Amino acid sequence: QQPVQSPQAVILREGEDAVINCSSSKALYSVHWYRQKHGEAPVFLMILLKGGEQKGHEKISASFNEKKQQSSLYLTASQLSYSGTYFCGTESGGGGADGLTFGKGTHLIIQP
Amino acid sequence: DAGVIQSPRHEVTEMGQEVTLRCKPISGHDYLFWYRQTMMRGLELLIYFNNNVPIDDSGMPEDRFSAKMPNASFSTLKIQPSEPRDSAVYFCASTAGGNNEQFFGPGTRLTVL
Repeated sequence: QQPVQSPQAVILREGEDAVINCSSSKALYSVHWYRQKHGEAPVFLMILLKGGEQKGHEKISASFNEKKQQSSLYLTASQLSYSGTYFCGTESGGGGADGLTFGKGTHLIIQP
Repeated sequence: DAGVIQSPRHEVTEMGQEVTLRCKPISGHDYLFWYRQTMMRGLELLIYFNNNVPIDDSGMPEDRFSAKMPNASFSTLKIQPSEPRDSAVYFCASTAGGNNEQFFGPGTRLTVL
């Protein structure tokens, strides 16, 4: 089942903060976050694993509440380059890689 | 490394024609994924392979779709016959092992008239 992302869209001024949420009805093993700019491929931001391990870019912050099956992506001091669509992708299996089930995305627009 | 390579980048075809999309994963990666992206349905997993073996094809929409991975450096996604509702961007992604980022190719934009 597809995870639910919120908000669907957000408009910020440069320097403002944003939080993007991802919620699943299934027990999760990991949550992946990607950003996609128009006409381009999704680009990896972060993985959060059951048990607390995280892998990703230093400037990106995220959390994973395993019990609630929820993850949040925190974008602080936003820059113009942060604009794009943010997707969470979830895995329910463990161990080997699974295909990701993606949410519908959150559109982020950063204005100068 | 050149990253994941997909070809063609754009494909325009007529309904009923056969379409073949190609993907070369990153060398050394043992997982390969095919995704489809549309405005209506977003990013959907179609099928994925581990060590050239199909693991989960439950996302393949119909029998018109088939995918193969004859070796570690090449995979194809075939649609026969194609229909207008197959119009989408098809992404191939690869990764090494579990719990790692998936590297996406640039995608193939398919338009079926």
